[in-house]
Amino acid sequence: GAVVSQHPSWVICKSGTSVKIECRSLDFQATTMFWYRQFPKQSLMLMATSNEGSKATYEQGVEKDKFLINHASLTLSTLTVTSAHPEDSSFYICSDDAGPNYGYTFGSGTRLTVV
Amino acid sequence: DAKTTQPNSMESNEEEPVHLPCNHSTISGTDYIHWYRQLPSQGPEYVIHGLTSNVNNRMASLAIAEDRKSSTLILHRATLRDAAVYYCILRGGSNYKLTFGKGTLLTVNP
Repeated sequence: GAVVSQHPSWVICKSGTSVKIECRSLDFQATTMFWYRQFPKQSLMLMATSNEGSKATYEQGVEKDKFLINHASLTLSTLTVTSAHPEDSSFYICSDDAGPNYGYTFGSGTRLTVV
Repeated sequence: DAKTTQPNSMESNEEEPVHLPCNHSTISGTDYIHWYRQLPSQGPEYVIHGLTSNVNNRMASLAIAEDRKSSTLILHRATLRDAAVYYCILRGGSNYKLTFGKGTLLTVNP
């Protein structure tokens, strides 16, 4: 099956700094990837759809200038949290877009803590 | 998006079967029924999916009602490693997004 590698698994940063999270498809070409955010005790919330070679599509309420998504190649999508604040502390997860008749593969997640 | 309804939590004993229900009364003809599970501090893991017929794989079985308005994920012999939040999600042919609900927290007792 597909393998999605997400890095780092956890990161602690100071308020006001930026953090980049990488999501790699190891054995397939991903034209589309998804980014989710999950707060403690809550479900996953879709943040944006990352499209290779074009701009990402953001869900309503997600600030595109704060959460920068780059999908420059078919194997790498990145999410950069700019000027991070404590309220951005969360669990960030990426996934591929397998299509309706296939199971989606998720990254292992990145725990971001902003202090 | 068509919505799903699951119990907030369920409890099972180790090595016993577990039936996790999901209601999706507004499902459309092109919606696939997907199941994922999430262990603490990990990304979700694909379990199984189906359209109309019952499905079996190495992890579980999926029983789909004839009218497709409900489905049941069956873990044939629960283990402690099956303790997780299980999500039932509809994935439409024209809507590629997965919308996660609250899921069912499965507790497995030794």
